[in-house]
Amino acid sequence: GQQVMQIPQYQHVQEGEDFTTYCNSSTTLSNIQWYKQRPGGHPVFLIQLVKSGEVKKQKRLTFQFGEAKKNSSLHITATQTTDVGTYFCAPRNSGNTPLVFGKGTRLSVIA
Amino acid sequence: DAGVTQSPTHLIKTRGQQVTLRCSPKSGHDTVSWYQQALGQGPQFIFQYYEEEERQRGNFPDRFSGHQFPNYSSELNVNALLLGDSALYLCASSLYRASNSPLHFGNGTRLTVT
Repeated sequence: GQQVMQIPQYQHVQEGEDFTTYCNSSTTLSNIQWYKQRPGGHPVFLIQLVKSGEVKKQKRLTFQFGEAKKNSSLHITATQTTDVGTYFCAPRNSGNTPLVFGKGTRLSVIA
Repeated sequence: DAGVTQSPTHLIKTRGQQVTLRCSPKSGHDTVSWYQQALGQGPQFIFQYYEEEERQRGNFPDRFSGHQFPNYSSELNVNALLLGDSALYLCASSLYRASNSPLHFGNGTRLTVT
């Protein structure tokens, strides 16, 4: 199945600092989705990236898909305590193949 | 517009027992996927149901089985429970013809096997 590595596994930041998590695949991806799971909650869809080199922004969150469609990143500018949670990338090789989740990056924000 | 609902929210079972978890998909969705999430890990794909048939299956033993009903709701059954089956079981719904559509997750069922 699809193998994806997500780094770092944990990140502790001071409120106001920036945060980035990376998702790397050994194979070319059809698309990639990002999800956020708050402590005690369930994964919630954030964004989907489809095109090579695509960049999408949601307020303080910036998502990027690599030119080779093998890696992706999520960058949060000026973190807030509401950003606390685990961020998962979920790549797809094609069509209706099941969504496979990475191990996630757990973000802690210290106020 | 009802989202994905799962029941029960929590469950405690003894090793060797059997369990059934239930899921109702988001209104308008026809596909249900089940995931197992161990503590501190990402969700692991168990299987996907569409048109009352298992369409895709992850690397889980036959002790894990499922069913989808004509109203698109679904059940996950686990037989001969092991301690290692303790996890959060997540149901996610989507639209099959929109192959890249995002998954909508329920709140999950927390299963503890003692």
